[in-house]
Amino acid sequence: AQSVTQLDSQVPVFEEAPVELRCNYSSSVSVYLFWYVQYPNQGLQLLLKYLSGSTLVKGINGFEAEFNKSQTSFHLRKPSVHISDTAEYFCAVSPMDSNYQLIWGAGTKLIIKP
Amino acid sequence: DTGVSQNPRHKITKRGQNVTFRCDPISEHNRLYWYRQTLGQGPEFLTYFQNEAQLEKSRLLSDRFSAERPKGSFSTLEIQRTEQGDSAMYLCASSLAPGWNSPLHFGNGTRLTVT
Repeated sequence: AQSVTQLDSQVPVFEEAPVELRCNYSSSVSVYLFWYVQYPNQGLQLLLKYLSGSTLVKGINGFEAEFNKSQTSFHLRKPSVHISDTAEYFCAVSPMDSNYQLIWGAGTKLIIKP
Repeated sequence: DTGVSQNPRHKITKRGQNVTFRCDPISEHNRLYWYRQTLGQGPEFLTYFQNEAQLEKSRLLSDRFSAERPKGSFSTLEIQRTEQGDSAMYLCASSLAPGWNSPLHFGNGTRLTVT
């Protein structure tokens, strides 16, 4: 079975400061990894994904994430946040032997302070 | 591309009543998924369709829940004899093809409140 842990339920950060949102997973099989964002009153949208290849993945809106297999982590980073990044961020994994199943973390609310 | 549309946005019902939600996926997408999300949690997988065939159901989907996708277009999710524990956001998503090279597109969800 797989599980996803997002250690921080909320992360407050000042505008233009860097941010890291943490994601750790547990799985007995290899997985694909995803970050989704949910802006207020909107649906979930894909920020970035790791399927294979380079472990540093770049996504939309200046976000990037690094897959660390030994630490089973997939932390999300942005060097300088804007007020428009205020949203909830979800990490998710899919076992490589499944092409439909996504297991989600509980989400991290990113709060940008002016 | 008008996106995934879900109706209604909100539904308040009394315990024991039946409710039905509708999802209209992006028109060329052949895969359709239903998820449930409760406050402070990530989405939980309920079921998915490839065209009109329901290929997988989570054990979370009790026999009070049924989903259909007639003709492989829109889908409905019905909950019979609703319980307070059914209160949640119900999310629909669609994708073009199997595999993760085609991303999931989510609708804005239907929020169910059972009183």
